[in-house]
Amino acid sequence: EAGVAQSPRYKIIEKRQSVAFWCNPISGHATLYWYQQILGQGPKLLIQFQNNGVVDDSQLPKDRFSAERLKGVDSTLKIQPAKLEDSAVYLCASSVGQGYQETQYFGPGTRLLVL
Amino acid sequence: AQTVTQSQPEMSVQEAETVTLSCTYDTSENNYYLFWYKQPPSRQMILVIRQEAYKQQNATENRFSVNFQKAAKSFSLKISDSQLGDTAMYFCAFRAGGSEKLVFGKGTKLTVNP
Repeated sequence: EAGVAQSPRYKIIEKRQSVAFWCNPISGHATLYWYQQILGQGPKLLIQFQNNGVVDDSQLPKDRFSAERLKGVDSTLKIQPAKLEDSAVYLCASSVGQGYQETQYFGPGTRLLVL
Repeated sequence: AQTVTQSQPEMSVQEAETVTLSCTYDTSENNYYLFWYKQPPSRQMILVIRQEAYKQQNATENRFSVNFQKAAKSFSLKISDSQLGDTAMYFCAFRAGGSEKLVFGKGTKLTVNP
């Protein structure tokens, strides 16, 4: 079974530039998550999708971050314009199951450096 | 809001020995789940073990076991017979029942020395 795929793996941009990250979840997983992991901290949920609908985006900085999952499969996270504090690893995860059995599977992440 | 605290930023252990990683959490929920995730260097995060708050029996997965103290809101991870491949960041995470949102601690960097 293929895992969660993310691209690119690394990205370096100047502040005020735009950047986009792509995620392809495990086949059949209806729920998709984007997390931000700043160096030295645990992942923080940015947005959760159930199929193509948003379940939770309460911690997404909506003035600069946007995300979509138009066909309920792969997803794109965009930052426009980027700030220095956006330097982090952006993790995508997808999940299967409910309640106790719900398991999130993580991708390898995209490491973003904003200069 | 739920919070998860891991008070040990770094730990080390000798190969084949046992190590315990600490985690405490704060919540007003009665139904919730707790998790330990492992993030090896430059590799993706994987689930190590999970515990449901209503289950009194501590979860075990091969060399990994937890000590769940609900009243103290403590959830420690014990790794027995440590192996070099256990070297990783370990994150404790909380999920309220009825929610799929994971709240993570800051992590503990574990190094297993040969």
